Amino acid sequence: QQQVKQSPQSLIVQKGGISIINCAYENTAFDYFPWYQQFPGKGPALLIAIRPDVSEKKEGRFTISFNKSAKQFSLHIMDSQPGDSATYFCAASPNHSGNTPLVFGKGTRLSVIA
Amino acid sequence: GAVVSQHPSWVICKSGTSVKIECRSLDFQATTMFWYRQFPKQSLMLMATSNEGSKATYEQGVEKDKFLINHASLTLSTLTVTSAHPEDSSFYICSARPWRGAMNTEAFFGQGTRLTVV
Repeated sequence: QQQVKQSPQSLIVQKGGISIINCAYENTAFDYFPWYQQFPGKGPALLIAIRPDVSEKKEGRFTISFNKSAKQFSLHIMDSQPGDSATYFCAASPNHSGNTPLVFGKGTRLSVIA
Repeated sequence: GAVVSQHPSWVICKSGTSVKIECRSLDFQATTMFWYRQFPKQSLMLMATSNEGSKATYEQGVEKDKFLINHASLTLSTLTVTSAHPEDSSFYICSARPWRGAMNTEAFFGQGTRLTVV
């Protein structure tokens, strides 16, 4: 499987600040880029996802920025809240059928402090 | 969104015994399900792809005789950890993606199963 590289490994942000997590990929066949949020002891939950035909997608406080030429995408969490403290995973999937597993980044542990 | 239910959420078993974990897609049919393993503070590692009505596809390094996968129906896949040992203790998570033609769709995850082998 092609790797998806995620950074930083951990992140501490003040309440109200912006959290930014970055991912880079190598496989140009990837065409679906979701972000997942995981709380301890729980399965990952889909946060937001983007396809390469757009450069940005916003849902509430969460925004994905996508740079196809650089093969990079990032998650921005605006007005970060303590409840956002979790581990975030970027992922990617090639342009095949739905029967293809996601390739995950290594995760970013976000701590939002008051 | 679609729901994937995993059971049990946690299990403790004695070394040498077998444990079965169930993964169900509650509101969609899943011809394919995925099984992941996650160690503390680490990412999800794909173990195998479960295919309805056929053999599972295992990732390199995953012992197929130890991690038995059965996908007998379009809504149920099971992972059986056979002759469990303490090193098998981990968080196991299943996932499924609803089929919508040629488009990749979001993957939904179960709640995870915390396996502790003593």
